[in-house]
Amino acid sequence: NAGVMQNPRHLVRRRGQEARLRCSPMKGHSHVYWYRQLPEEGLKFMVYLQKENIIDESGMPKERFSAEFPKEGPSILRIQQVVRGDSAAYFCASSRRGGGAVDTQYFGPGTRLTVL
Amino acid sequence: GQQLNQNPQSMFIQEGEDVSMNCTSSSIFNTWLWYKQDPGEGPVLLIALYKAGELTSNGRLTAQFGITRKDSFLNISASIPSDVGIYFCAGQRIETSGSRLTFGEGTQLTVNP
Repeated sequence: NAGVMQNPRHLVRRRGQEARLRCSPMKGHSHVYWYRQLPEEGLKFMVYLQKENIIDESGMPKERFSAEFPKEGPSILRIQQVVRGDSAAYFCASSRRGGGAVDTQYFGPGTRLTVL
Repeated sequence: GQQLNQNPQSMFIQEGEDVSMNCTSSSIFNTWLWYKQDPGEGPVLLIALYKAGELTSNGRLTAQFGITRKDSFLNISASIPSDVGIYFCAGQRIETSGSRLTFGEGTQLTVNP
């Protein structure tokens, strides 16, 4: 069974460019969570999505950041006009069940974004 | 937002020693989880705890869900070099809007052979 897949593993962008991070959940999982990890810190929740729906985006900055999980294809975390402070590791996790249920989240290997 | 206090921040031990780390929160969680993260990788689930007072083992690892639902600890017995890494606790609240994880800041474990 393939685990959660993320690509690219490493992404370098210059200030002002756009970054697109992709996450393919585990087979049979329709719930995706995105987290951000700054150096020397724990992971911080950003957004929770089900297929075609954003359920909770309370952890995501209001500007420049967006996320989607289309009916077909991976979940995408998009960062427009990146700034140096966006440099971090971005992880997605998937689960079989979502809100209202006890369920385990399995993490991908992450995308390490570096903004020059 | 919610914060978890994880202690200690780092530990340097000799191979064969036992290790203990803990997390405390000002808020109640439905679930406590412990993850390990190796450099350049994502967190890997070690133990999940679902009931207050629960004590669960996974090989040399033992974790407990505090009675108050505001704390948890992880013990590693007879440490080996491959135990090196960062250990994170995470609390989970089960809500209809999602079951986000709130992470501690991590315990960096170094094992000297």
